[in-house]
Amino acid sequence: AQSVTQLGSHVSVSEGALVLLRCNYSSSVPPYLFWYVQYPNQGLQLLLKYTTGATLVKGINGFEAEFKKSETSFHLTKPSAHMSDAAEYFCAVIPSGGSYIPTFGRGTSLIVHP
Amino acid sequence: EPEVTQTPSHQVTQMGQEVILRCVPISNHLYFYWYRQILGQKVEFLVSFYNNEISEKSEIFDDQFSVERPDGSNFTLKIRSTKLEDSAMYFCASMSEVGTDTQYFGPGTRLTVL
Repeated sequence: AQSVTQLGSHVSVSEGALVLLRCNYSSSVPPYLFWYVQYPNQGLQLLLKYTTGATLVKGINGFEAEFKKSETSFHLTKPSAHMSDAAEYFCAVIPSGGSYIPTFGRGTSLIVHP
Repeated sequence: EPEVTQTPSHQVTQMGQEVILRCVPISNHLYFYWYRQILGQKVEFLVSFYNNEISEKSEIFDDQFSVERPDGSNFTLKIRSTKLEDSAMYFCASMSEVGTDTQYFGPGTRLTVL
């Protein structure tokens, strides 16, 4: 069965600092990978996704993620955090060639200090 | 930009009552989904719907739940007899086609069962 692990339920950074949110998955074949952001009292918004091709994926708001097959990881990064980045971030995977139902991680709350 | 909308944003109900959560997916999308997120937990898949029938459902989606697309635009989730543990945020999502495409989420309905 597919599973997604997000290390750290909370990540705290200073404004301007590097953001690193970790996501590891378990899958027998490379899946499709997604990062969603959820701002307070809002729905899930797609940040970026990996399906095929280049393993470094750039998304909205300056975020990017790199698919590393050998590490079964899809960590989300941003070089410089902004106060507006404070939100809940969810990693999700969809098994390629199968059901298109995503499995979500438990989420990581990003806290940005001034 | 087209978006998925949901009404109401917040629903409070008494245990045992029926509730209907409404969603208007993006107009040219063909696949529809309901998810729920219990406070502090991860997003969980409930059901997917295509061509006027359920295509997949999770263990959570028991006989108390039903979905309907009554008029070609709305997509509803009905809970026949609510329980305290049904309290959660319910998200609707839609997707244009199966493949590498993305599910677009609505802002959610917060259901509180008293």
